[in-house]
Amino acid sequence: GAVVSQHPSWVICKSGTSVKIECRSLDFQATTMFWYRQFPKQSLMLMATSNEGSKATYEQGVEKDKFLINHASLTLSTLTVTSAHPEDSSFYICSATWGSSGRSGNEQFFGPGTRLTVL
Amino acid sequence: SQQGEEDPQALSIQEGENATMNCSYKTSINNLQWYRQNSGRGLVHLILIRSNEREKHSGRLRVTLDTSKKSSSLLITASRAADTASYFCATEPNMRFGAGTRLTVKP
Repeated sequence: GAVVSQHPSWVICKSGTSVKIECRSLDFQATTMFWYRQFPKQSLMLMATSNEGSKATYEQGVEKDKFLINHASLTLSTLTVTSAHPEDSSFYICSATWGSSGRSGNEQFFGPGTRLTVL
Repeated sequence: SQQGEEDPQALSIQEGENATMNCSYKTSINNLQWYRQNSGRGLVHLILIRSNEREKHSGRLRVTLDTSKKSSSLLITASRAADTASYFCATEPNMRFGAGTRLTVKP
């Protein structure tokens, strides 16, 4: 199957700093990428849907200014957690597909996740 | 917000037994996908079933979909210890995940 990578795989930062997480589709062009966060022993919570070249669509309750998403190319989307606080500590996972959001019927390919710990 | 609800939340069986997990959802879907996640890892796609399909097989996996009841089931036959993981369903559009079932297969 297609490969999606995330970088970094884990990061520890101080409270108040910003952290950028990259999601790359390595062997296909991802027209749509999804960002999720997952707390221990819980399910994935969709944060936002990102289509290449347009603004991300955020889920209700997700702060746009805190979680900045940029999908500037067909192979790269970034999530920046701005002014991170301990409650932002979580497992962040991206996924990518080559179909349009909501209509692809295509398989989602998931990255391995990034574990963020904010001290 | 979550779309699906899986049950049971946790399931413990012996190696060789079959494991059945269920997923219910609330709104209309284009398709439903099942994933597995090993602890602390990313998700692995298992199977996709479209809204006009009722059953699908892949190896030891069997998935059913009942759109009238807005539910799906995942059956793993002849389970192995390596099947120990969390299993999630996700519905398209929107790709929202259910709470997941934590499956433990004892050797």
